[in-house]
Amino acid sequence: KQEVTQIPAALSVPEGENLVLNCSFTDSAIYNLQWFRQDPGKGLTSLLLIQSSQREQTSGRLNASLDKSSGRSTLYIAASQPGDSATYLCAVDDSGNTPLVFGKGTRLSVIA
Amino acid sequence: GAGVSQSPSNKVTEKGKDVELRCDPISGHTALYWYRQSLGQGLEFLIYFQGNSAPDKSGLPSDRFSAERTGGSVSTLTIQRTQQEDSAVYLCASSPARSLFFGPGTRLTVL
Repeated sequence: KQEVTQIPAALSVPEGENLVLNCSFTDSAIYNLQWFRQDPGKGLTSLLLIQSSQREQTSGRLNASLDKSSGRSTLYIAASQPGDSATYLCAVDDSGNTPLVFGKGTRLSVIA
Repeated sequence: GAGVSQSPSNKVTEKGKDVELRCDPISGHTALYWYRQSLGQGLEFLIYFQGNSAPDKSGLPSDRFSAERTGGSVSTLTIQRTQQEDSAVYLCASSPARSLFFGPGTRLTVL
């Protein structure tokens, strides 16, 4: 059974810092991996989707990498801003026909 | 509206009562998912609808939980005889393929 772990559970950084959020998964035979953002009291917004054949995806200040063999993904946020404060969740799609398996998320606070 | 909508946004009920939660997916999205998010926990998969196929109910925690999707569009999640441990945010998502679009959720509180 696929399990997804995110470390750290919470992170607080000063504005302007670059930071890395980590995601690990137990079964490396995945179809794709997605990173989501969740603001308090809101639903999830998809940030980046990495197909199993890809190594990374970039969107603005965000860069997500995928290393299937080691069961790891990272989300890199450059030049963090207070507006980046949210919970970031990693989710793994095992086969394209099964529901996503989510980690518990990393709660990020960017201090002005 | 262009996004997934859910109603009600908040629901407070008494233990033992039945509740219905509604999800309006994005038009044309063939897949619809229900997840549950409890305080301090990750998202827990409940049920998945894909087109006209039989739904994947493998995540439903007990037979008090059921869901239907009418006409391939609106979905209703029903919880019978609610218990305090059912308190959580219930999130619906729809998808045209594999990228999910989430609604804002329904926060259920069982007293």
